[in-house]
Amino acid sequence: EVHLVESGGGLVQPGGSLRLSCAASGFTFSNYAMHWVRQAPGKGLEYVSVISSNGGSTYYANSVKGRFTISRDNSRNMLYLQVGSLRTEDMAVYYCVRVGDGYTFDSWGQGALVTVSS
Amino acid sequence: DIVMTQTPLSSPVTLGQPASISCRSSQSLVHSDGNTYLSWLHQRPGQPPRLLIYKISNRFSGVPDRFSGSGAGTDFTLKISRVEAEDVGVYYCTQATQLPWTFGQGTKVEIK
Repeated sequence: EVHLVESGGGLVQPGGSLRLSCAASGFTFSNYAMHWVRQAPGKGLEYVSVISSNGGSTYYANSVKGRFTISRDNSRNMLYLQVGSLRTEDMAVYYCVRVGDGYTFDSWGQGALVTVSS
Repeated sequence: DIVMTQTPLSSPVTLGQPASISCRSSQSLVHSDGNTYLSWLHQRPGQPPRLLIYKISNRFSGVPDRFSGSGAGTDFTLKISRVEAEDVGVYYCTQATQLPWTFGQGTKVEIK
């Protein structure tokens, strides 16, 4: 069974930074591109970033480009999102998502809450 | 970016009755490989989303057959043949044809 567990969320001041982690299990992690999707409180889903299966290619939404960095460690089955220069509008639950066959968001973690407040 | 527009945004339904949600994209979702990467997600309160339908009309593993998807090009529909209590929550359409992958605003389904 696919299992994705995010960690590293918390309260941070505007301008601060955090590193979110996602531990993957139940599948061959190195075979899959991985994504981060976020959801502000009471709002809809927003695409954040993707990293290719070997980590060689990344993409960022315009709203986070230059402030967030996605990375992965296939030897440890871990996905990361370094979030920096945080703004109040970055406050959200951040989900780690596997993309399966057919370009589908087929497996989601439970999410990590990032709260940006002074 | 491709904009995904869902209607309605709220749908009160009676148990056992059908429900339908529409999703329109700002441009064709037909990929250069010939596939159309339009999916539907369901999110219950306090839970992460889960995949229901992919590539317009394919039900994901474990999804009941009362859920069906249809459409082509820029217009798509999710139908629930007979709504059950567990179907409440928010439904999102999403496209994976072009980066950034984008989502509709969500349609809240609740029981009358």
